Amino acid sequence: GEDVEQSLFLSVREGDSSVINCTYTDSSSTYLYWYKQEPGAGLQLLTYIFSNMDMKQDQRLTVLLNKKDKHLSLRIADTQTGDSAIYFCAENSYGGSQGNLIFGKGTKLSVKP
Amino acid sequence: DVKVTQSSRYLVKRTGEKVFLECVQDMDHENMFWYRQDPGLGLRLIYFSYDVKMKEKGDIPEGYSVSREKKERFSLILESASTNQTSMYLCASSLSAGSNYGYTFGSGTRLTVV
Repeated sequence: GEDVEQSLFLSVREGDSSVINCTYTDSSSTYLYWYKQEPGAGLQLLTYIFSNMDMKQDQRLTVLLNKKDKHLSLRIADTQTGDSAIYFCAENSYGGSQGNLIFGKGTKLSVKP
Repeated sequence: DVKVTQSSRYLVKRTGEKVFLECVQDMDHENMFWYRQDPGLGLRLIYFSYDVKMKEKGDIPEGYSVSREKKERFSLILESASTNQTSMYLCASSLSAGSNYGYTFGSGTRLTVV
């Protein structure tokens, strides 16, 4: 079945770049997403990329997509303490009903001052 | 702004109680979802609904039921709460399958069953 894998933890120093990686299995996914969850809150859509794109940049965020390897990454430039959160990768999969999103388990990003 | 509102942020219930978690969205979304989130397990889909009065089981429906009588409201029901249902519950909605808008989530309800 469909699966989305990401490492559980990442620790960086303030000002460094963070790179969060994700692999997915459904090659028919049309959109891939990154969500951010701050402590005690719900998930917020951070950015998304359409499957025919290789890269998308939005201010400090860069999303890279390698369709051949089914690999997605999120790079956060100049990481700040406010970026500390759990980041979820998700693909939209038509394997289930109604094109459900399949989420990874989330990567907890810790930013040290 | 699309808003998904969950009625309670924190809830404490006793074992055996019937528990209702309410979720309301204000953007006329067709699809609504209930997840639970536990450390190390990520998000697990409990139930979802793609239309009024329609429901589909997710990955972990046991011990839960849902109700969608109106398009904007999706309720999760714990028929007889148990301690292993202590968790963070997240509601989400989406416009349609294949949309680039993804899901919009509520702020979550942290349920403790004692």
